[in-house]
Amino acid sequence: DVKVTQSSRYLVKRTGEKVFLECVQDMDHENMFWYRQDPGLGLRLIYFSYDVKMKEKGDIPEGYSVSREKKERFSLILESASTNQTSMYLCASGGGYEQYFGPGTRLTVT
Amino acid sequence: AQKVTQAQTEISVVEKEDVTLDCVYETRDTTYYLFWYKQPPSGELVFLIRRNSFDEQNEISGRYSWNFQKSTSSFNFTITASQVVDSAVYFCALSYLYGGATNKLIFGTGTLLAVQP
Repeated sequence: DVKVTQSSRYLVKRTGEKVFLECVQDMDHENMFWYRQDPGLGLRLIYFSYDVKMKEKGDIPEGYSVSREKKERFSLILESASTNQTSMYLCASGGGYEQYFGPGTRLTVT
Repeated sequence: AQKVTQAQTEISVVEKEDVTLDCVYETRDTTYYLFWYKQPPSGELVFLIRRNSFDEQNEISGRYSWNFQKSTSSFNFTITASQVVDSAVYFCALSYLYGGATNKLIFGTGTLLAVQP
């Protein structure tokens, strides 16, 4: 079974804090993705990575950065969290046309 | 540009009713995949089905069925005899190759299905 895990299910942070969201996959997939999900907007791609140390911006990269030092791990970084980054964050990994999703992290920034 | 439209924001039905969730997509690619995912209140996205652009056969899995029509760029999902456990947000998505090597998923905005007992 493909497994994608995320470090936290729920997270509460203060405005201005640096936030790290971690994602680990165990299927040796080349590609990994970070999405955010907001009501009425569906899932929107923030960043993705197609190889170690390689990254590309998705549709809404502003305010975020990513790190991929190892193939199985893809981190999303909020350099200075803001209230408009309160959202559900979903990580995915995939090869070919499929993507497998983690359980999500519900982040609240106060 | 790629786009997925789920025009139905919310649907409410009574248990045992049949319900169809609509999905319309746009793409210029000839090779692509279409997906349906279910997101129950727990939040995790559950894969339901994948269809490639060359296979227009309808598919049935238990109470679930999917109708793929390239002529109308639609990939609709029907639940027969709905149950309370079907209550969830359902997402339609389009997958295509980006840069020749990486797949990208474009999601619709989702349809919230509420099945009342």
